[in-house]
Amino acid sequence: GAGVSQSPSNKVTEKGKDVELRCDPISGHTALYWYRQSLGQGLEFLIYFQGNSAPDKSGLPSDRFSAERTGGSVSTLTIQRTQQEDSAVYLCASSLQTSGAYEQYFGPGTRLTVT
Amino acid sequence: SQKIEQNSEALNIQEGKTATLTCNYTNYSPAYLQWYRQDPGRGPVFLLLIRENEKEKRKERLKVTFDTTLKQSLFHITASQPADSATYLCALSYNNNDMRFGAGTRLTVKP
Repeated sequence: GAGVSQSPSNKVTEKGKDVELRCDPISGHTALYWYRQSLGQGLEFLIYFQGNSAPDKSGLPSDRFSAERTGGSVSTLTIQRTQQEDSAVYLCASSLQTSGAYEQYFGPGTRLTVT
Repeated sequence: SQKIEQNSEALNIQEGKTATLTCNYTNYSPAYLQWYRQDPGRGPVFLLLIRENEKEKRKERLKVTFDTTLKQSLFHITASQPADSATYLCALSYNNNDMRFGAGTRLTVKP
């Protein structure tokens, strides 16, 4: 079946511009996560959604970052006024539930480069 | 705050040997601990999950141990192959709602 998909696969933007990154999770998965991975680094948790509950935004690095999940499915991560330090690979994952008892299925990521 | 440390950035071993990767954490033990494999340019792929009350889990050539006294998980790959070369990440779930990942260990298996 279809896995998690993300678009675009690559995004180059100028400093100060806004960008939107999209994630299509696996159908039926109620939990959706966003992570950021800088070169040679581990995954930095950004935000997760569980069903219709309010998202946990505790990992968002600044108020320039926001995310929404429409209809409990597709999610969009928005970065406003991008900075060079925002350059990284942004990974989305989905899971049956947010419990750590469930594995996460990752998309291929969006590589963001801010020039 | 919780810290997760994976033993080394890189580990090089000879084909056929057993690779052992370490994941150490501070403070209290997670309810669940997972291991993932990540290849260059790809997202992580789930390998194994072990619960707080479990000591060991196996899957084919893979074995994970969980020692809450040492605050450590070990990940073993027996009879390693060049195809096992990748970065391996441990991930800990504390409050049952999110996962925290280590920085990963890059394993290279030489033929």
